[in-house]
Amino acid sequence: AQSVAQPEDQVNVAEGNPLTVKCTYSVSGNPYLFWYVQYPNRGLQFLLKYITGDNLVKGSYGFEAEFNKSQTSFHLKKPSALVSDSALYFCAVRDAGYQKVTFGIGTKLQVIP
Amino acid sequence: DVKVTQSSRYLVKRTGEKVFLECVQDMDHENMFWYRQDPGLGLRLIYFSYDVKMKEKGDIPEGYSVSREKKERFSLILESASTNQTSMYLCASSLPAGGIYEQYFGPGTRLTVT
Repeated sequence: AQSVAQPEDQVNVAEGNPLTVKCTYSVSGNPYLFWYVQYPNRGLQFLLKYITGDNLVKGSYGFEAEFNKSQTSFHLKKPSALVSDSALYFCAVRDAGYQKVTFGIGTKLQVIP
Repeated sequence: DVKVTQSSRYLVKRTGEKVFLECVQDMDHENMFWYRQDPGLGLRLIYFSYDVKMKEKGDIPEGYSVSREKKERFSLILESASTNQTSMYLCASSLPAGGIYEQYFGPGTRLTVT
């Protein structure tokens, strides 16, 4: 079985400060990990993914994520938050042995001007 | 750019009605998915299809069926709508799972069953 946890319902950060949105996962094999963002009244948009290789993955809109195998985490980060980053963020995992992707429950990011 | 379109943004139906949600993608993707999104529950997979006329149950298939007669079109059917099927429904598509590909999502259909 595979699962993903996003421990924070909401993250508040001041504009210009660094932001982190947390994600931990559980798989039996090798993990494939994804981050998606959902702006109000829109579908999900892909941000970045980890398949293999470098533990630091860079994605769209200045976001990056760090894969940590020992801590089974894949936290989303950005050095300087923008008000326009305010949205709902989803972490997702797929075990290499399975076809289906499991999504987390989402974390609402609020960037305060 | 990949485009995934859904037939309606908002839909209101009565209990017991048969409901069809349509999804079309224009990038020749083999895989298509239907999810429902509920607050506090995230996205849950209802059904997915990896080829025309092929389908597999997701995590919550009860009360739903699907149809994929053409590669670009994937339909979700609520045989007899119930109030607990009030939700946001999201369609997605991707390249085959043999590669590790991200999913492209449509804008969603907010269904209310009264």
